[in-house]
Amino acid sequence: EAGVAQSPRYKIIEKRQSVAFWCNPISGHATLYWYQQILGQGPKLLIQFQNNGVVDDSQLPKDRFSAERLKGVDSTLKIQPAKLEDSAVYLCASSSLQGSIGEQYFGPGTRLTVT
Amino acid sequence: GQQVMQIPQYQHVQEGEDFTTYCNSSTTLSNIQWYKQRPGGHPVFLIQLVKSGEVKKQKRLTFQFGEAKKNSSLHITATQTTDVGTYFCAGPDRGSTLGRLYFGRGTQLTVWP
Repeated sequence: EAGVAQSPRYKIIEKRQSVAFWCNPISGHATLYWYQQILGQGPKLLIQFQNNGVVDDSQLPKDRFSAERLKGVDSTLKIQPAKLEDSAVYLCASSSLQGSIGEQYFGPGTRLTVT
Repeated sequence: GQQVMQIPQYQHVQEGEDFTTYCNSSTTLSNIQWYKQRPGGHPVFLIQLVKSGEVKKQKRLTFQFGEAKKNSSLHITATQTTDVGTYFCAGPDRGSTLGRLYFGRGTQLTVWP
């Protein structure tokens, strides 16, 4: 089966610019996650979707980050405007189960550099 | 929120030596997961532990879940260069399976031949 797809793989932008990341989860997986991984740290959950509804966005900086999963399949994560501290790898993951009980399948990630 | 603490942060071993990483939580966990991330790669699921005192093995890897379900360990016997990477434990928020998954900072394993 195809894995989680993400694009772009790399992105370099200047601070205050905007950027968008795209994710296509494994077919049939209802739960989709966006994580931020700063160098040297573990992934930190930004937002979790169950189908096209938001389950948990408590760690999402909503003044600059937004995410949607309109048809319950693929998803986009946007940052506007970007700050230097947003430099990180943004990982998308999907699971057939909700919450923490299911195995999460991660995509290759998008490495964002904000200059 | 929930935090899982992982030690050590770095471990350098010679090929053939054993390796262990530990994961600790201040609260009881309903379950714990382990992931491996190769350099430049993405996290890959290794295993999930659910029962108190559970021990699971995958070839040279042994995973344990503490009796109190507050700690876990991953032990690799006779490391190989293919074991290089960062090993993360992840536990749920509020100890519930419905909560978000919190990842530890990881243990970065280097194996030299």
